[in-house]
Amino acid sequence: GAGVSQTPSNKVTEKGKYVELRCDPISGHTALYWYRQSLGQGPEFLIYFQGTGAADDSGLPNDRFFAVRPEGSVSTLKIQRTERGDSAVYLCASSLSGTSYNEQFFGPGTRLTVL
Amino acid sequence: AQSVSQHNHHVILSEAASLELGCNYSYGGTVNLFWYVQYPGQHLQLLLKYFSGDPLVKGIKGFEAEFIKSKFSFNLRKPSVQWSDTAEYFCAVNARGDYKLSFGAGTTVTVRA
Repeated sequence: GAGVSQTPSNKVTEKGKYVELRCDPISGHTALYWYRQSLGQGPEFLIYFQGTGAADDSGLPNDRFFAVRPEGSVSTLKIQRTERGDSAVYLCASSLSGTSYNEQFFGPGTRLTVL
Repeated sequence: AQSVSQHNHHVILSEAASLELGCNYSYGGTVNLFWYVQYPGQHLQLLLKYFSGDPLVKGIKGFEAEFIKSKFSFNLRKPSVQWSDTAEYFCAVNARGDYKLSFGAGTTVTVRA
């Protein structure tokens, strides 16, 4: 079946602009995660949704970052007033439910470049 | 919070050589352990996982990993690599009962034909 999809695959923006990154999880997966992978590093947790609610946003670096999942399926990560340090690959993952045992299936990522 | 350390940044091997990638974690409680692989141009996918039981776990494509609790280690092995094993390998952990994965920095493996 279809895996996790993310759009766009690449996004180039200018410092100070607003961007939205979209994630379409695997159908039926109630848990959705966003991670950020900087160059030469492993993915770092940003936020976790169980259903429509953000159950844990402890990984968001500051209040310029916000994410929503209004209908419990597609999620959008929103970044305001982008900075060059926001440049990274943003990964979305989904799992059947949000337990430590469920495999997280990752999407291909969105590569964000802030000029 | 957990942290994960992968010892090798880049490993270069010839086909048929044996591979071992080190992974150590720091966390005082019970953890689940994972190895993910990212082939060139593809997304992260799970190679294998350990929750409990036999500390030697077997995954896809002939990979295995051994959990040594006393050493806080979960090293990945493959007896004979193929050119198609060229990829980046990530070790990850989560605390039992927590969903957040903590990843190591990754090891790039290049297999020369």
